[in-house]
Amino acid sequence: GEDVEQSLFLSVREGDSSVINCTYTDSSSTYLYWYKQEPGAGLQLLTYIFSNMDMKQDQRLTVLLNKKDKHLSLRIADTQTGDSAIYFCAETSNNNAGNMLTFGGGTRLMVKP
Amino acid sequence: DTGVSQDPRHKITKRGQNVTFRCDPISEHNRLYWYRQTLGQGPEFLTYFQNEAQLEKSRLLSDRFSAERPKGSFSTLEIQRTEQGDSAMYLCASSLGGLTEAFFGQGTRLTVV
Repeated sequence: GEDVEQSLFLSVREGDSSVINCTYTDSSSTYLYWYKQEPGAGLQLLTYIFSNMDMKQDQRLTVLLNKKDKHLSLRIADTQTGDSAIYFCAETSNNNAGNMLTFGGGTRLMVKP
Repeated sequence: DTGVSQDPRHKITKRGQNVTFRCDPISEHNRLYWYRQTLGQGPEFLTYFQNEAQLEKSRLLSDRFSAERPKGSFSTLEIQRTEQGDSAMYLCASSLGGLTEAFFGQGTRLTVV
């Protein structure tokens, strides 16, 4: 079945850029998403990219997609302490029942002051 | 509309008891999804509804799990004869059709003692 992999942990200093990486296996993935989860909370949709795009920028967030390598990244510019959270990569496709999302295990981002 | 609402936020139950969770989606959203998230993992798809029809339920974890969406608005997820392994966060999401943004609720955290 589909698989989505992320590194477990990333630590950066406030003001630096953060880059969170994700790889996926489903070549029919249509949309790829980044969600943010703060402790004890639900998931907040940050951004998404359609599979025929290479890049999407939204304020401090930049998503890069390498479809050939099935690699997705999220860059957060000028990282702030409020960005500390778990970030989940997810994918969906028309092959997924109801276009349900397949999530990675999450990357915990720690931002040091 | 304040987004996807889940109730209760926390539930502690004794092993063997039945529990029911409620999800109120964003009002115009016709799709409603249930996911389960265990500690340190990404959310895992359970089931989804298009309006009142449950179109995918093969991923429900066992026959102790059932879900309904009787009038195509709110949904309930019931777990019968709870086990300690059912302890997790149960997340609901809604979307307008497929391949669009899915918005998540805050989740119901279940602890089975």
